Amino acid sequence: AQKVTQAQTEISVVEKEDVTLDCVYETRDTTYYLFWYKQPPSGELVFLIRRNSFDEQNEISGRYSWNFQKSTSSFNFTITASQVVDSAVYFCALSGINDYKLSFGAGTTVTVRA
Amino acid sequence: SAVISQKPSRDICQRGTSLTIQCQVDSQVTMMFWYRQQPGQSLTLIATANQGSEATYESGFVIDKFPISRPNLTFSTLTVSNMSPEDSSIYLCSVVSGNQPQHFGDGTRLSIL
Repeated sequence: AQKVTQAQTEISVVEKEDVTLDCVYETRDTTYYLFWYKQPPSGELVFLIRRNSFDEQNEISGRYSWNFQKSTSSFNFTITASQVVDSAVYFCALSGINDYKLSFGAGTTVTVRA
Repeated sequence: SAVISQKPSRDICQRGTSLTIQCQVDSQVTMMFWYRQQPGQSLTLIATANQGSEATYESGFVIDKFPISRPNLTFSTLTVSNMSPEDSSIYLCSVVSGNQPQHFGDGTRLSIL
């Protein structure tokens, strides 16, 4: 069985602060994918990143960065210099390499105040 | 990535009725899925829509309640049958094309009175 835990329910920050979202996962698969999705107030689900379990390199994309640590089964997400437009619910998810079925965490609501 | 169109975007229905949600993709995709997001909750996989055969349902979801069709590689429907207020949710289709990451439609916001 697969399980994704996002312990932080809500995070509130002031604009320009950094915010880190935690994600811890459990899986019996030896190979798997990890994901982050963003769900803004408008409701659509926006793909942010997919990481293969083989690849533990950290990744940076603009103000977003991800830290994957297989040893601790964590895939954390940092928004640097947050902006009001970053306000959304962020979901961490896990799938097998072959079946693509996503198991989602509970989500973390990020509120960025001007 | 593929462009995914979901219809309707929202609806308000009477209990006991059924609603069919459509998911159209602008290119052929390998896999299509249906998810449910209950109010304030995370997403839960309902089923995998299999092209030309019966869908594969996850635990807790049955075909009589959520019949699914996928007649070709670009289209799928989900029907929510005999609706009750507990079915009020966002229903989302998602697609996988080749080895690309899974992308989602904009969702159908369903309210049952």
